[in-house]
Amino acid sequence: QVQLQESGPGLVKPSETLSLTCTVSDGSINNYYWNWIRQPPGKGLEWIAYIYNSGTTTYNPSLKSRVTISADTSKNQISLKLNSVTAADTAVYYCARLGLSYVSGSYKGFDQWGQGILVTVSS
Amino acid sequence: DIVMTQSPDSLAVSLGERATINCKSGRSVLYPSNNKNYLAWYQLKPGQPPKLLIYWASTRESGVPDRFSGSGSGTDFTLTISSLQAEDVAVYYCHQYYTTPYTFGQGTKLEIK
Repeated sequence: QVQLQESGPGLVKPSETLSLTCTVSDGSINNYYWNWIRQPPGKGLEWIAYIYNSGTTTYNPSLKSRVTISADTSKNQISLKLNSVTAADTAVYYCARLGLSYVSGSYKGFDQWGQGILVTVSS
Repeated sequence: DIVMTQSPDSLAVSLGERATINCKSGRSVLYPSNNKNYLAWYQLKPGQPPKLLIYWASTRESGVPDRFSGSGSGTDFTLTISSLQAEDVAVYYCHQYYTTPYTFGQGTKLEIK
């Protein structure tokens, strides 16, 4: 079973760049959509972006101007950079895989998630 | 963006009783090429990542107890827990992955009465 683990600093100063890495174990990152999702304290889930096969990326328009998602297939890692952060970016950040049914070839939702990492934006 | 609206925001149900959560999408999430609704349900407990319960609106993920079921098509969906157990206390989210930006409902907090 594939495992995902987020890593990065838990504290970022306002106006700086938040950088996170998701390391995927026991499975290749090829041929899947890898996503970043966040949950601010006391609020709901917000999808941030996805990357597919290291080349195709799509971003939430609400964050697009500040976000970059990338992948390193040699390390089996997906990265997220969010610049010019404010307190509103304080959240638990998750990486997640959009699952695929090999029987039907159809996507099945986010079937694998990392444990999440709390990132606090504060001076 | 497809707006996902859940009801109710919170729900208290007695152990062993049925719990029902509704989700309405701003437009259809039925994928015409395969006739599947790209609608999923997740369970979120404190300190844990979300857990996929249901996908394609009504297909249970492997390992999910059969007291969880999903129904609906197009824009209106329901998650039902047939006999509430103590471990089902959580926040439940519906999610559309029909089109980006992927969006979630606001969540429904399920408690024991």
